[in-house]
Amino acid sequence: QLQLQESGPGLVKPSETLSLTCTVSGGSISSNSDFWGWIRQPPGKGLEWIGSVYYRGSTYYKSSLKSRVTISVDTSKNQFSLNLNSVTAADTAVYYCARVEGDDVSLLRGVHVYWGQGTLVTVSS
Amino acid sequence: DIQMTQSPSSVSASVGDRVSITCQASQGISSWLAWYQQKPGKAPRLLIYAASRLQTGVPSRFSGSGSGTDFTLTISSLQPEDFATYYCQQASTFPLTFGGGTKVEIK
Repeated sequence: QLQLQESGPGLVKPSETLSLTCTVSGGSISSNSDFWGWIRQPPGKGLEWIGSVYYRGSTYYKSSLKSRVTISVDTSKNQFSLNLNSVTAADTAVYYCARVEGDDVSLLRGVHVYWGQGTLVTVSS
Repeated sequence: DIQMTQSPSSVSASVGDRVSITCQASQGISSWLAWYQQKPGKAPRLLIYAASRLQTGVPSRFSGSGSGTDFTLTISSLQPEDFATYYCQQASTFPLTFGGGTKVEIK
């Protein structure tokens, strides 16, 4: 059974960079078709898709976050990471990592089946 | 980016009620739509993909319909464990986008 686990600081100062890592177990991050992504949820609010990465390095980002976000993959550690720079209080949220089904012939294409448990990141001085 | 609009934002219902939630995409997405259920403090759980396909293990009281721009999630007979927030997500193109959510509350 595939499992994902987020890790990283729970508190980040304004204007600094938020960095999180997602460790994948029970499967390889180098899957031929799947993407790996980040979704966040501010307290009491809805889900916001941040971006996704393919193990070969291609990335897709939410338009409004594109200038501040980098998602990368480390196949040797079976991990992928999120960097969000110049953070403000508005970036305070629970951050989830997830696998995005990528097989073009699958009806599950573009769907988040497997999720991490989420980690709360607070932006505050 | 494709915008996803859900309605209502909240609904109050009783056990046994039939509940329907709608999701509208800002452009056609064929049947590339998923529905998730989220309970407080938990990660979302996939319920339906490809607009109408039930994920393994999801009770048959959940159903999805629609194509193009208009979609519906229906719970045929609400159970106590169904009180939660539901989100749609378009799976047609990157960037992926979620709807704003619908909270199903106890009447």
